[in-house]
Amino acid sequence: NAGVTQTPKFRVLKTGQSMTLLCAQDMNHEYMYWYRQDPGMGLRLIHYSVGEGTTAKGEVPDGYNVSRLKKQNFLLGLESAAPSQTSVYFCASRPGTGGSQETQYFGPGTRLLVL
Amino acid sequence: AQSVTQLDSQVPVFEEAPVELRCNYSSSVSVYLFWYVQYPNQGLQLLLKYLSGSTLVKGINGFEAEFNKSQTSFHLRKPSVHISDTAEYFCAVSGAGGTSYGKLTFGQGTILTVHP
Repeated sequence: NAGVTQTPKFRVLKTGQSMTLLCAQDMNHEYMYWYRQDPGMGLRLIHYSVGEGTTAKGEVPDGYNVSRLKKQNFLLGLESAAPSQTSVYFCASRPGTGGSQETQYFGPGTRLLVL
Repeated sequence: AQSVTQLDSQVPVFEEAPVELRCNYSSSVSVYLFWYVQYPNQGLQLLLKYLSGSTLVKGINGFEAEFNKSQTSFHLRKPSVHISDTAEYFCAVSGAGGTSYGKLTFGQGTILTVHP
């Protein structure tokens, strides 16, 4: 099992450019999440999905869109990047509900710099 | 709404000394509690979790935490730290029901630095 993987690992964008971050998990997990990590602020939830074909807004969704067309993939899109979106982005997945299924498993992160 | 406060942004400690990283939370519903560790330039790894049952939870690498409902705390402890424990530690809470179910809210992180 590769677990949760993220593509790309690093990216530099100019203001106004667009890009898509890909998250893939091979654990057949139902739930998937996108977070951003900024210094001194911990991780904040951007969007999440409770199953294939579903998405929902988290704490900081503005400027981002997501799609979950396949159960194993969760895409995060930036339509028009802004310097405020410079951050480290983490994807996570969770098996289901109840007991040990409540644990989220994290990918290695994508470092994004917007100039 | 739920929130997490990690009371120390940085904790320096000498090798083989004990350490406690403090975490307080607030929530209007029952909670699940987690501690994650992040080594430099890596993702987050689960250290331990409290879902229900015994309030003393043991995790990997010799860490343990105690859930105190009356004080809304979930402090992380290790009796003897190693250089390799140097990392950033995050406390997180998820509602066990309601609108916050399944959504983790993280604290700001505590950087633990172990000195020889």
